[in-house]
Amino acid sequence: GAVVSQHPSRVICKSGTSVKIECRSLDFQATTMFWYRQFPKQSLMLMATSNEGSKATYEQGVEKDKFLINHASLTLSTLTVTSAHPEDSSFYICSARPRGSGANVLTFGAGSRLTVL
Amino acid sequence: AQSVSQHNHHVILSEAASLELGCNYSYGGTVNLFWYVQYPGQHLQLLLKYFSGDPLVKGIKGFEAEFIKSKFSFNLRKPSVQWSDTAEYFCAVSQYSSASKIIFGSGTRLSIRP
Repeated sequence: GAVVSQHPSRVICKSGTSVKIECRSLDFQATTMFWYRQFPKQSLMLMATSNEGSKATYEQGVEKDKFLINHASLTLSTLTVTSAHPEDSSFYICSARPRGSGANVLTFGAGSRLTVL
Repeated sequence: AQSVSQHNHHVILSEAASLELGCNYSYGGTVNLFWYVQYPGQHLQLLLKYFSGDPLVKGIKGFEAEFIKSKFSFNLRKPSVQWSDTAEYFCAVSQYSSASKIIFGSGTRLSIRP
């Protein structure tokens, strides 16, 4: 079945630094990937839609200069949290829709837990 | 814009009890509906989905959900739960399109007493 890999699974960084999280579709191509943020004991909040070869579409209230998304290939999307602050600490989850899939079904990665000190 | 409401934040049941988790959505058009499950320490997995056709959808592990268009609901059911069903359950909705984003409800934590 379709597998999505996220790296790193856990990262701790100092306030003011930038952190990059990778999302890879391992055995399929994905023209569209989604980035979600999950707060403790809360739901997944859609941050942005990442489209291969074009700019990401951000949800209302999500700072595009803060959360940089790049989808340079059909198997890789990256999320960079720039100038991270403690309030950016969260669980970030990516998901991907297989290219050519006629069905709106996503495969989710295992998530990346970011802790900003 | 579409939204999803899950009214039960935490449900506690004994093994063999019947389960029903509520899910209501708001969107005037045709929708795709999903239930995802997140077991402790694991990533999200698709439990079942509704795209069209029979409004009673059967998923994995004995779960089923019924789409009632007039009530904008997509409740999840299981006749007899097991301890291994302990997990977080998320209802989700998207517009009826292969390119639409999926919006999640707040989730329901299910705890099963052995």
